Amino acid sequence: DQQVKQNSPSLSVQEGRISILNCDYTNSMFDYFLWYKKYPAEGPTFLISISSIKDKNEDGRFTVFLNKSAKHLSLHIVPSQPGDSAVYFCAASRLNNNDMRFGAGTRLTVKP
Amino acid sequence: NAGVMQNPRHLVRRRGQEARLRCSPMKGHSHVYWYRQLPEEGLKFMVYLQKENIIDESGMPKERFSAEFPKEGPSILRIQQVVRGDSAAYFCASSPSSGRAGNTIYFGEGSWLTVV
Repeated sequence: DQQVKQNSPSLSVQEGRISILNCDYTNSMFDYFLWYKKYPAEGPTFLISISSIKDKNEDGRFTVFLNKSAKHLSLHIVPSQPGDSAVYFCAASRLNNNDMRFGAGTRLTVKP
Repeated sequence: NAGVMQNPRHLVRRRGQEARLRCSPMKGHSHVYWYRQLPEEGLKFMVYLQKENIIDESGMPKERFSAEFPKEGPSILRIQQVVRGDSAAYFCASSPSSGRAGNTIYFGEGSWLTVV
């Protein structure tokens, strides 16, 4: 039961341009969403989060947008840098529940 | 090092042997999660534990896999009679509390199991 979906397995962008990573979810009970970044042979590291009471959260070059009606969120990275090349996982959880579900990940490659 | 600690980082087992993966959560964290990442796949939830309790094991295979988080010591993910399909990266994560929205979970660096 894939409750969190990242339909693009990979994305390639040029350095300096915007990277947009997308995520869809099916469980309307989810109300907290996160993005994690993962380098090869390392554990995922927390990047940015957003709760369902907001539709946008910004942290430096990273912005997460949430569209509750569409059950869709996206991560924008601008400007993209080669060091951003990694696998990005979208995750979602429910109020009062620590169970967190992850998407399959999107491999971002930022070309110099 | 205050992070989530996993050991061993790499483990090789022959088919039929047992694998034990350990996870020490971040200091002050009482919630532990295990995830599995198969080659070329995403993170799959396996089990969520609090001290001495399994809260959600809906992602655990029905046979050969078990997890515990005792009152003292690390959380253990145990795989009995390993098969080649168990080869994967196993990630542990921890979080500080329950019952509140907005908890972020923090991952360890993973344990890579190879079954030969």
